[in-house]
Formats: sequence, C-alpha cells, structure tokens
Amino acid sequence: DTAVSQTPKYLVTQMGNDKSIKCEQNLGHDTMYWYKQDSKKFLKIMFSYNNKELIINETVPNRFSPKSPDKAHLNLHINSLELGDSAVYFCASSPTSGSSYEQYFGPGTRLTVT
Amino acid sequence: AQKITQTQPGMFVQEKEAVTLDCTYDTSDQSYGLFWYKQPSSGEMIFLIYQGSYDEQNATEGRYSLNFQKARKSANLVISASQLGDSAMYFCAMSSLTMNRDDKIIFGKGTRLHILP
Repeated sequence: DTAVSQTPKYLVTQMGNDKSIKCEQNLGHDTMYWYKQDSKKFLKIMFSYNNKELIINETVPNRFSPKSPDKAHLNLHINSLELGDSAVYFCASSPTSGSSYEQYFGPGTRLTVT
Repeated sequence: AQKITQTQPGMFVQEKEAVTLDCTYDTSDQSYGLFWYKQPSSGEMIFLIYQGSYDEQNATEGRYSLNFQKARKSANLVISASQLGDSAMYFCAMSSLTMNRDDKIIFGKGTRLHILP
C-alpha cells in the first residue's frame, strides 16, 4: 500500500564510498523528485524527472547522479561520499510536472558519512 | 526569485488552543501555489493544505485552514483545537504555476510546534 517507498531507510558509510538510494512510487505519477534535508531541517530540491526525463537539476555536485529507469522509479547514486553529504534524502512524486499539485513524499533515507 | 520566510523557529501552545503559524512569501509570479507540510519526529513529510493564488476563498482541510492575505503576501496556517499529535515541524512552501515542467516547490525553514498537555 506504500505510495512512495525508499530504500534503505538508514545508510551509514565511510568517506570516499559510493552508495545508492532507491525510490519507487505506485501512484502512477509522472514526476519524481529528490530533496535533501540538512541538519538544520532545511529542505531543498536536487532533481526532478518527468517520464524518465531530467527536468530540474539544481546546483548539485556531479558526484550525485539520478537515474530513472521508468516513471515509477528514481534512484540516486552518490560517488565519493563526503562528510557534508550527511543528510536526510527524500524522494517525492506528483501527478504532473510543475508544482501545482501536492507532492507525496517517501519516508526519507538518513545518510550518515563518517 | 521566490522566497519563503517563516519567522517562528519554535512555538509552545497549550493543548486545545488554536495556533497560527506564520508564513510570508515573495514572488514576482502572478500565478502561484502555497502549501503547508507537517514533519513529525518520525521524519515523514505530510501534505496538509494547498492554496492557489487565484483562489478567492481560504483553503480549509479539517482542523487546518490557510489564512491567505495576498496583498500582504502571507499564508499563515491556522490549526484549531490543537492536539498533542500536532507537535511537529511545519513547513510552508510555494511554487510557480506557470505549468512549466521546471516549476519547483521551495520550502521555508520551518517552525517547530510543541503542544503542551
């Protein structure tokens, strides 16, 4: 029944490693997003995809690479992890591109880089 | 550029009282949408309410209402008859409604609400 799911929920890893976070939505939405929430709770968009096409790419380091194999999935791969990457990463989806509709968020992935 | 300002980092309210969370915004767009999200301590982001800039009536959803004052560029969230379960972080957000695919939601810094028994 989960609308937007993310795995893993927690991720602890060392600097320099490469890791991936997976996101899936079963709502039939066209658009998916990745957000980063820092330690001060500030939530900022990173990427959006519409029907597997990259639409929004904020000023995110090249070490972050989203991949959307189909419109129900949006994965986030992070290379050469740094301490500053520690945050909660949220996946979200909405029924159409543009933000005139509410976005449904996943439960978040808490990434800790040591 | 769009901007959302939430001036109350934290609030303490007695249970059953009404509470108003402040939100002001800045945009040059004629058409935009305003949102409120709730983030409890468990971490998930829960959509609460939406107001379109051309909506003439203030949005309401159960105990939540959005006090939209367009001239003042404010979109305060009002929670009536607060409950202990309302304790959470609350985010105000907005987006352009150009219907471009790159429209995106921007979030305020949040207000942490504590409901006291």
